[in-house]
Amino acid sequence: QKEVEQNSGPLSVPEGAIASLNCTYSDRGSQSFFWYRQYSGKSPELIMFIYSNGDKEDGRFTAQLNKASQYVSLLIRDSQPSDSATYLCAATTGGFKTIFGAGTRLFVKA
Amino acid sequence: NAGVTQTPKFQVLKTGQSMTLQCAQDMNHNSMYWYRQDPGMGLRLIYYSASEGTTDKGEVPNGYNVSRLNKREFSLRLESAAPSQTSVYFCASSEGLGQGANEQFFGPGTRLTVL
Repeated sequence: QKEVEQNSGPLSVPEGAIASLNCTYSDRGSQSFFWYRQYSGKSPELIMFIYSNGDKEDGRFTAQLNKASQYVSLLIRDSQPSDSATYLCAATTGGFKTIFGAGTRLFVKA
Repeated sequence: NAGVTQTPKFQVLKTGQSMTLQCAQDMNHNSMYWYRQDPGMGLRLIYYSASEGTTDKGEVPNGYNVSRLNKREFSLRLESAAPSQTSVYFCASSEGLGQGANEQFFGPGTRLTVL
């Protein structure tokens, strides 16, 4: 069973802090990795994707991928209350099947 | 552009009833997907269509059927609804052209309750 694991949280950080969200995956054949944000009662929206080892930055968001450790992370700098949501990690293996983690709930305290 | 649209937004069924969930995208994407989301379990892939004319099973296909009507539309049918199919259903689409093109865009979801 191919899996993507996330800590369910909740992760609570003060406004302005860095939030660090982590994800591990079991299938070494996974090639593409995604972070989605989902507000309560809404659909997931793509924040970032990463394919290569290392860091990828987009504004306040940085995705990190370590294929040797089968580990993906998302850093949110200068966290804002509007960042409070569930963050879903996902991995795609060589085709169209994408496996999602159960998500980490993030609370940013004003 | 509307992106990905789904109908209906809410539905209540009785056990044994059938229904079809509709999905359409206007982004000229090749690939489309149906997921269900249950509390604490994340999104699980039911069926997907890599391109027009093809469909394949995902993780949890039992009790469902799909039709890729054309490039824009992908429907999900429950032939005989069961309480275990109570869930939120999301349709998604992606360009689907080879590796690295699987960023998926989601519709607003359908909340289905089976009594």
